Amino acid sequence: NAGVTQTPKFRVLKTGQSMTLLCAQDMNHEYMYWYRQDPGMGLRLIHYSVGEGTTAKGEVPDGYNVSRLKKQNFLLGLESAAPSQTSVYFCASSKNGISQPQHFGDGTRLSIL
Amino acid sequence: GQQVMQIPQYQHVQEGEDFTTYCNSSTTLSNIQWYKQRPGGHPVFLIQLVKSGEVKKQKRLTFQFGEAKKNSSLHITATQTTDVGTYFCAGSSGTYKYIFGTGTRLKVLA
Repeated sequence: NAGVTQTPKFRVLKTGQSMTLLCAQDMNHEYMYWYRQDPGMGLRLIHYSVGEGTTAKGEVPDGYNVSRLKKQNFLLGLESAAPSQTSVYFCASSKNGISQPQHFGDGTRLSIL
Repeated sequence: GQQVMQIPQYQHVQEGEDFTTYCNSSTTLSNIQWYKQRPGGHPVFLIQLVKSGEVKKQKRLTFQFGEAKKNSSLHITATQTTDVGTYFCAGSSGTYKYIFGTGTRLKVLA
């Protein structure tokens, strides 16, 4: 049971570089979420998706883009990385609707120099 | 926009003491979830509350949802070292997304 898998686990980027974080779930969940976690600020929602081909903005979407071309995958892109995007990124999925638990991946620790 | 605050931010307790964390929303919630995150780990779902005034128990953990559905609490009786971690509430106002609280970090001293 893989659940929610995030790749990579760690990454160091230089300011201005781009990269894509991949989230894959094998539970056939409809909803997927990207959060960032910074010390003392809890988890903040970046973008989310309620189904294949759909995406929507969360609390802190600026500087990020997402795509959900396949139901099982949710990609988070940083077009031009900035030091303020240094954070731990968590992906989560839930079956359907807001009344379902969110299942989280192990996170990606991203540092922007 | 919707905000969810948690207090306290940190709590150190002696093993065997009780612990409570409080969650307050700026808006009325349709439901609230609680998660636990161990150091270095990812959030793990604990429970969901939906009804006004609802109380649920999981062994030594008691969860409450306020009558106005704007606040919630998690109480742990007789803490153990295995309870160490950060506890988050996450509220939804009926949309597809959840707003997480700032979390309460619990440290249990043996």
